[in-house]
Amino acid sequence: SQQGEEDPQALSIQEGENATMNCSYKTSINNLQWYRQNSGRGLVHLILIRSNEREKHSGRLRVTLDTSKKSSSLLITASRAADTASYFCATDKESKAAGNKLTFGGGTRVLVKP
Amino acid sequence: DVKVTQSSRYLVKRTGEKVFLECVQDMDHENMFWYRQDPGLGLRLIYFSYDVKMKEKGDIPEGYSVSREKKERFSLILESASTNQTSMYLCASSGGVSGNTIYFGEGSWLTVV
Repeated sequence: SQQGEEDPQALSIQEGENATMNCSYKTSINNLQWYRQNSGRGLVHLILIRSNEREKHSGRLRVTLDTSKKSSSLLITASRAADTASYFCATDKESKAAGNKLTFGGGTRVLVKP
Repeated sequence: DVKVTQSSRYLVKRTGEKVFLECVQDMDHENMFWYRQDPGLGLRLIYFSYDVKMKEKGDIPEGYSVSREKKERFSLILESASTNQTSMYLCASSGGVSGNTIYFGEGSWLTVV
């Protein structure tokens, strides 16, 4: 099973509304990241939150992290049609090698209707 | 800006063919990754490399191999393509000042018939 699991799997909202999606994970992490993917394209990094942080903002994005519940949420405020995309959380998983590797959840598909 | 370039956007190959997917990054990143993405399964890590000639298996390495002869280039090889390898393949890199942030290419859509 995957380390990160997003909820809901799909979300449909009107332009101007807020969109909230959640991510749960199973094992301890160093940090958690959120990525966005437009249809048929690669993923783009949005924001990283470290395990010792509880909340982080970037423009219209707000991310929270609750390590006691092993969960994170991504809030997009005042959504726009251009926010239509899939959103993935990713958690790091240290390997014996130097390079940390991320494990991605299944994603939340967000549709923002104009 | 970091650029990760995948050589082929769309490929159609026959069962049993040997397939090479090439990826180049221009930010001198130590780490490079190959993921595949399938509906309902999200992104799954196939292999990653943390240095030239170094590689480590990801979650689903069966049926794949990789090559990293130069720091900027990471190749994914399907020795004998099968229909269950039809998927979107995503290359990514990380390292240096970008830390744990991963930069992705645009993806390669592979169809095996």
